[in-house]
Amino acid sequence: DAGVTQSPTHLIKTRGQQVTLRCSPKSGHDTVSWYQQALGQGPQFIFQYYEEEERQRGNFPDRFSGHQFPNYSSELNVNALLLGDSALYLCASSFGRTGELFFGEGSRLTVL
Amino acid sequence: KQEVTQIPAALSVPEGENLVLNCSFTDSAIYNLQWFRQDPGKGLTSLLLIQSSQREQTSGRLNASLDKSSGRSTLYIAASQPGDSATYLCAVAPGGTGGFKTIFGAGTRLFVKA
Repeated sequence: DAGVTQSPTHLIKTRGQQVTLRCSPKSGHDTVSWYQQALGQGPQFIFQYYEEEERQRGNFPDRFSGHQFPNYSSELNVNALLLGDSALYLCASSFGRTGELFFGEGSRLTVL
Repeated sequence: KQEVTQIPAALSVPEGENLVLNCSFTDSAIYNLQWFRQDPGKGLTSLLLIQSSQREQTSGRLNASLDKSSGRSTLYIAASQPGDSATYLCAVAPGGTGGFKTIFGAGTRLFVKA
Protein backbone atom coordinates (compact mmCIF):
# COMPACT_ATOMS: atom_id res chain seq x y z
CA ASP A 1 0.00 0.00 0.00
CA ALA A 2 1.68 3.16 -1.20
CA GLY A 3 1.76 6.01 1.23
CA VAL A 4 1.66 9.68 0.34
CA THR A 5 4.03 10.49 -2.51
CA GLN A 6 5.32 13.93 -3.44
CA SER A 7 7.31 15.23 -6.39
CA PRO A 8 9.77 16.65 -7.00
CA THR A 9 11.84 16.01 -3.87
CA HIS A 10 14.14 18.98 -4.43
CA LEU A 11 14.04 21.97 -6.72
CA ILE A 12 15.78 25.30 -7.15
CA LYS A 13 14.07 28.36 -8.61
CA THR A 14 14.89 32.04 -8.97
CA ARG A 15 12.84 34.95 -7.69
CA GLY A 16 9.79 35.71 -9.80
CA GLN A 17 9.48 32.23 -11.22
CA GLN A 18 6.57 29.87 -10.72
CA VAL A 19 6.60 26.35 -9.28
CA THR A 20 4.20 23.39 -9.23
CA LEU A 21 4.43 20.67 -6.60
CA ARG A 22 2.52 17.41 -6.80
CA CYS A 23 1.02 15.02 -4.29
CA SER A 24 -0.64 11.62 -4.51
CA PRO A 25 -2.59 10.70 -1.38
CA LYS A 26 -2.51 7.43 0.49
CA SER A 27 -4.83 4.81 -0.99
CA GLY A 28 -8.39 5.31 0.29
CA HIS A 29 -7.86 8.93 1.31
CA ASP A 30 -9.97 11.71 -0.19
CA THR A 31 -8.60 14.85 1.48
CA VAL A 32 -5.29 16.60 0.85
CA SER A 33 -3.78 19.36 2.96
CA TRP A 34 -0.66 21.35 2.16
CA TYR A 35 1.81 22.74 4.70
CA GLN A 36 4.90 24.95 4.56
CA GLN A 37 7.68 24.23 7.02
CA ALA A 38 10.53 26.68 7.50
CA LEU A 39 13.73 25.48 9.10
CA GLY A 40 13.31 24.90 12.82
CA GLN A 41 9.57 25.61 12.77
CA GLY A 42 6.43 23.54 12.85
CA PRO A 43 4.43 23.09 9.63
CA GLN A 44 2.12 25.98 8.75
CA PHE A 45 -1.23 25.18 7.12
CA ILE A 46 -1.60 26.50 3.56
CA PHE A 47 -4.93 25.01 2.47
CA GLN A 48 -7.03 21.87 2.36
CA TYR A 49 -8.73 20.27 -0.65
CA TYR A 50 -11.76 18.06 -0.40
CA GLU A 51 -14.15 17.06 -3.19
CA GLU A 52 -11.93 18.97 -5.64
CA GLU A 53 -12.51 22.28 -3.86
CA GLU A 54 -10.41 24.42 -1.55
CA ARG A 55 -12.27 24.09 1.74
CA GLN A 56 -10.08 26.06 4.10
CA ARG A 57 -7.10 28.34 3.76
CA GLY A 58 -4.39 29.50 6.10
CA ASN A 59 -2.69 32.90 6.15
CA PHE A 60 -0.99 32.65 2.78
CA PRO A 61 -1.27 35.12 -0.12
CA ASP A 62 -3.10 34.43 -3.36
CA ARG A 63 0.24 33.59 -4.96
CA PHE A 64 -0.34 30.19 -3.41
CA SER A 65 -3.01 28.21 -5.24
CA GLY A 66 -3.90 24.61 -5.67
CA HIS A 67 -5.99 22.02 -7.33
CA GLN A 68 -7.40 18.60 -6.56
CA PHE A 69 -8.13 16.13 -9.33
CA PRO A 70 -10.90 13.51 -9.52
CA ASN A 71 -8.42 10.81 -8.43
CA TYR A 72 -7.79 12.90 -5.24
CA SER A 73 -4.23 13.83 -6.21
CA SER A 74 -3.33 17.47 -5.77
CA GLU A 75 -1.03 20.23 -6.96
CA LEU A 76 0.33 23.27 -5.16
CA ASN A 77 1.27 26.24 -7.33
CA VAL A 78 3.28 29.21 -6.17
CA ASN A 79 3.62 32.24 -8.44
CA ALA A 80 6.07 35.15 -8.33
CA LEU A 81 8.45 33.31 -6.00
CA LEU A 82 10.12 35.23 -3.19
CA LEU A 83 13.25 34.33 -1.26
CA GLY A 84 11.01 33.75 1.77
CA ASP A 85 9.16 30.98 -0.04
CA SER A 86 12.19 28.73 0.45
CA ALA A 87 10.95 25.91 2.67
CA LEU A 88 9.95 22.27 2.88
CA TYR A 89 6.46 21.84 1.41
CA LEU A 90 4.56 18.96 2.91
CA CYS A 91 1.45 17.23 1.67
CA ALA A 92 -0.79 15.33 4.06
CA SER A 93 -3.71 13.11 3.19
CA SER A 94 -6.58 11.88 5.32
CA PHE A 95 -9.88 10.11 5.03
CA GLY A 96 -12.36 12.87 5.65
CA ARG A 97 -11.48 16.35 6.71
CA THR A 98 -10.63 15.48 10.30
CA GLY A 99 -9.08 12.04 9.88
CA GLU A 100 -5.58 11.03 10.92
CA LEU A 101 -2.98 12.83 8.85
CA PHE A 102 -0.35 10.96 6.86
CA PHE A 103 2.49 12.94 5.35
CA GLY A 104 4.72 12.59 2.34
CA GLU A 105 8.47 13.15 2.41
CA GLY A 106 8.06 16.72 1.21
CA SER A 107 9.41 18.89 -1.58
CA ARG A 108 12.38 21.07 -0.65
CA LEU A 109 12.13 24.39 -2.52
CA THR A 110 15.07 26.77 -2.67
CA VAL A 111 14.51 30.22 -4.15
CA LEU A 112 17.65 32.10 -5.19
CA LYS B 1 -7.25 31.39 18.00
CA GLN B 2 -5.68 28.01 18.73
CA GLU B 3 -2.01 28.06 19.67
CA VAL B 4 0.15 25.01 20.36
CA THR B 5 3.29 25.16 22.48
CA GLN B 6 5.85 22.42 23.05
CA ILE B 7 8.27 22.34 25.94
CA PRO B 8 11.17 21.80 26.05
CA ALA B 9 12.41 22.97 22.66
CA ALA B 10 15.34 20.59 22.90
CA LEU B 11 16.26 17.69 25.14
CA SER B 12 19.36 15.52 25.47
CA VAL B 13 19.18 12.30 27.51
CA PRO B 14 21.35 9.19 28.00
CA GLU B 15 20.22 5.94 26.43
CA GLY B 16 17.75 3.96 28.53
CA GLU B 17 16.15 6.94 30.23
CA ASN B 18 12.39 7.36 30.36
CA LEU B 19 11.27 10.80 29.21
CA VAL B 20 8.21 13.01 28.81
CA LEU B 21 7.56 15.57 26.10
CA ASN B 22 4.93 18.22 26.72
CA CYS B 23 2.37 19.87 24.46
CA SER B 24 -0.11 22.55 25.48
CA PHE B 25 -2.93 24.14 23.52
CA THR B 26 -5.04 27.20 24.23
CA ASP B 27 -8.50 26.11 23.01
CA SER B 28 -9.89 22.93 24.55
CA ALA B 29 -12.45 22.51 21.72
CA ILE B 30 -10.42 20.02 19.75
CA TYR B 31 -11.38 17.12 17.49
CA ASN B 32 -8.18 15.13 17.95
CA LEU B 33 -4.50 15.48 18.79
CA GLN B 34 -1.73 13.75 16.90
CA TRP B 35 1.94 13.17 17.72
CA PHE B 36 4.50 12.97 14.92
CA ARG B 37 8.16 12.21 14.55
CA GLN B 38 10.33 14.04 12.01
CA ASP B 39 13.87 13.11 11.05
CA PRO B 40 16.07 15.90 9.62
CA GLY B 41 14.94 16.99 6.17
CA LYS B 42 12.23 14.34 6.05
CA GLY B 43 8.46 14.21 6.22
CA LEU B 44 6.39 13.56 9.32
CA THR B 45 5.66 10.07 10.60
CA SER B 46 2.48 9.62 12.59
CA LEU B 47 3.10 8.09 16.03
CA LEU B 48 -0.19 8.31 17.89
CA LEU B 49 -3.63 9.81 17.36
CA ILE B 50 -5.87 10.62 20.32
CA GLN B 51 -9.51 11.41 19.66
CA SER B 52 -11.10 14.09 21.83
CA SER B 53 -13.12 11.46 23.70
CA GLN B 54 -10.01 9.46 24.64
CA ARG B 55 -7.58 9.96 27.51
CA GLU B 56 -4.56 8.09 26.18
CA GLN B 57 -3.11 5.93 23.44
CA THR B 58 -0.22 3.48 23.52
CA SER B 59 2.04 2.06 20.85
CA GLY B 60 5.03 0.01 21.90
CA ARG B 61 7.31 2.16 24.06
CA LEU B 62 5.19 5.26 23.42
CA ASN B 63 2.26 6.47 25.47
CA ALA B 64 0.37 9.69 24.81
CA SER B 65 -2.14 11.25 27.16
CA LEU B 66 -4.70 13.97 26.63
CA ASP B 67 -6.29 16.31 29.17
CA LYS B 68 -8.60 18.64 27.25
CA SER B 69 -9.75 20.58 30.29
CA SER B 70 -6.21 21.72 31.06
CA GLY B 71 -5.19 21.95 27.40
CA ARG B 72 -2.32 19.50 27.75
CA SER B 73 -0.92 16.37 26.18
CA THR B 74 2.19 14.41 27.05
CA LEU B 75 4.21 11.90 25.06
CA TYR B 76 5.99 9.37 27.26
CA ILE B 77 8.90 7.45 25.75
CA ALA B 78 10.10 4.47 27.74
CA ALA B 79 13.66 3.13 27.68
CA SER B 80 14.90 5.66 25.11
CA GLN B 81 17.27 4.52 22.35
CA PRO B 82 19.64 6.45 20.04
CA GLY B 83 17.23 5.67 17.19
CA ASP B 84 14.61 7.77 18.96
CA SER B 85 16.66 10.88 18.20
CA ALA B 86 14.42 13.13 16.10
CA THR B 87 12.06 16.10 16.37
CA TYR B 88 8.70 15.32 17.92
CA LEU B 89 5.72 17.44 16.93
CA CYS B 90 2.22 17.60 18.31
CA ALA B 91 -0.71 18.79 16.21
CA VAL B 92 -4.25 19.74 17.17
CA ALA B 93 -7.27 19.42 14.91
CA PRO B 94 -9.86 21.98 16.00
CA GLY B 95 -13.41 21.03 16.85
CA GLY B 96 -16.60 23.02 16.95
CA THR B 97 -16.44 26.00 14.62
CA GLY B 98 -12.66 25.89 14.38
CA GLY B 99 -12.67 24.54 10.86
CA PHE B 100 -10.24 21.91 9.67
CA LYS B 101 -6.91 23.68 10.00
CA THR B 102 -4.61 21.44 12.01
CA ILE B 103 -2.24 23.52 14.15
CA PHE B 104 1.30 22.33 14.91
CA GLY B 105 3.68 23.12 17.69
CA ALA B 106 7.28 24.02 16.88
CA GLY B 107 8.46 20.63 18.11
CA THR B 108 10.88 19.19 20.66
CA ARG B 109 14.26 18.16 19.32
CA LEU B 110 15.35 14.99 21.13
CA PHE B 111 18.88 13.63 21.22
CA VAL B 112 19.49 10.24 22.88
CA LYS B 113 23.14 9.62 23.67
CA ALA B 114 24.55 6.10 23.36
